[in-house]
Amino acid sequence: EIVLTQSPGTLSLSPGERATLFCRASQSVRSSYLAWYQQKPGQAPRLLIYGASNRATGIPDRFSGSGSGTDFILTISRLEPEDFAVYYCQQYGSSPWTFGQGTKVEIK
Amino acid sequence: EVQLVQSGAEVKKPGESLKISCKGSGYRFDSYWIGWVRQMPGKGLEWMGIIYPGDSDTRYSPSFQGQVTISADKSISTAYLQWSGLKASDTAMYYCARPKAAAAYAAFDIWGQGTMVIVSS
Repeated sequence: EIVLTQSPGTLSLSPGERATLFCRASQSVRSSYLAWYQQKPGQAPRLLIYGASNRATGIPDRFSGSGSGTDFILTISRLEPEDFAVYYCQQYGSSPWTFGQGTKVEIK
Repeated sequence: EVQLVQSGAEVKKPGESLKISCKGSGYRFDSYWIGWVRQMPGKGLEWMGIIYPGDSDTRYSPSFQGQVTISADKSISTAYLQWSGLKASDTAMYYCARPKAAAAYAAFDIWGQGTMVIVSS
């Protein structure tokens, strides 16, 4: 089973700042089958990025993903008030699919 | 519109059985995998398993194998998650989700609204 470790656990930033979130896999993720999700309180997760770097439909271009192999990054170029949430990475290249433990982006 | 609609919240006692549902609409249900994800109170997301309604091919996370049963009835476009003997530790929100492509190896882009299951004596 591939274990995904996200860092930091919590990111305290102000609106307008840049957010950089990390996801490290315990072994290489096949074909960069790595996704990022955003979850707000009381809501289902929302897909942001798939295939490590492809934005899902309707996702603003301030969200970008990069990386390959075992190291992946989600970048939010300029935080908007609605971006404060919890973010999860997920690998779907090897069964069982697994999620990271999440990074909370909170208002500083 | 493509959507997944889950059954309502449940309150059960330990040892009871339960089957929750996830109904798909707006797409060909038997051509897309459906996955289940657990979220315990205040915790992260856990991938439980996935089923292909076309032929009922099912994959489980080792953490959930033997603890739950995933099934589907393609005739009514509905997937299920069931327990035969609930425990207090099964208290959680359960989401169904559909991959964005008609393949198992795809990210989940359509999510149900979640079903809250509370197990308490």
